Amino acid sequence: GNSVTQMEGPVTLSEEAFLTINCTYTATGYPSLFWYVQYPGEGLQLLLKATKADDKGSNKGFEATYRKETTSFHLEKGSVQVSDSAVYFCALSDRGYGGATNKLIFGTGTLLAVQP
Amino acid sequence: KAGVTQTPRYLIKTRGQQVTLSCSPISGHRSVSWYQQTPGQGLQFLFEYFSETQRNKGNFPGRFSGRQFSNSRSEMNVSTLELGDSALYLCASGRDAEDTQYFGPGTRLTVL
Repeated sequence: GNSVTQMEGPVTLSEEAFLTINCTYTATGYPSLFWYVQYPGEGLQLLLKATKADDKGSNKGFEATYRKETTSFHLEKGSVQVSDSAVYFCALSDRGYGGATNKLIFGTGTLLAVQP
Repeated sequence: KAGVTQTPRYLIKTRGQQVTLSCSPISGHRSVSWYQQTPGQGLQFLFEYFSETQRNKGNFPGRFSGRQFSNSRSEMNVSTLELGDSALYLCASGRDAEDTQYFGPGTRLTVL
């Protein structure tokens, strides 16, 4: 079945450091890929998405490129801030070959801690 | 536009009781999905409803059930609660034409 693997955390960085959180996936068909962020005590917020190969999703300085050849969707940010401290989830849609479902499959989440 | 709302935000129940959680999707969204989040198992898909019909179901026991109303609002019910049901329950809504899901703040259920 479809699955998502993301790097274990926690990731601890100093403010203004470069961030990479690795995400790889296994899927049949052509799923969309997502990054969600969860701040303490809150639900998930959509950070960015990409719907097809070579698409780049971007938002708030974060970027991720849908790489079909390496089945990856790594999250990057050039300069992190303390306010970016949160848990980041990589996810894929489970639609397969045009199936009718909005089910998402999530990675285990990566805790990012940014120190001043 | 208002986001996904979930009520209540916090619940404390005892083993053996049952509980009902509510979710109101974003206006115009007809798909509602439920997820359970625990430290040990992460985010797990419970079920998905579209136009009052269950469209997909995760691997949970029959004690977990749900429904969707004609206005797209959804409820999930857990009967005969167990300690392991303690979790954050997240509801997400989306349009049918695209697979982006928007999440609510969740309901934190504690079973004592």
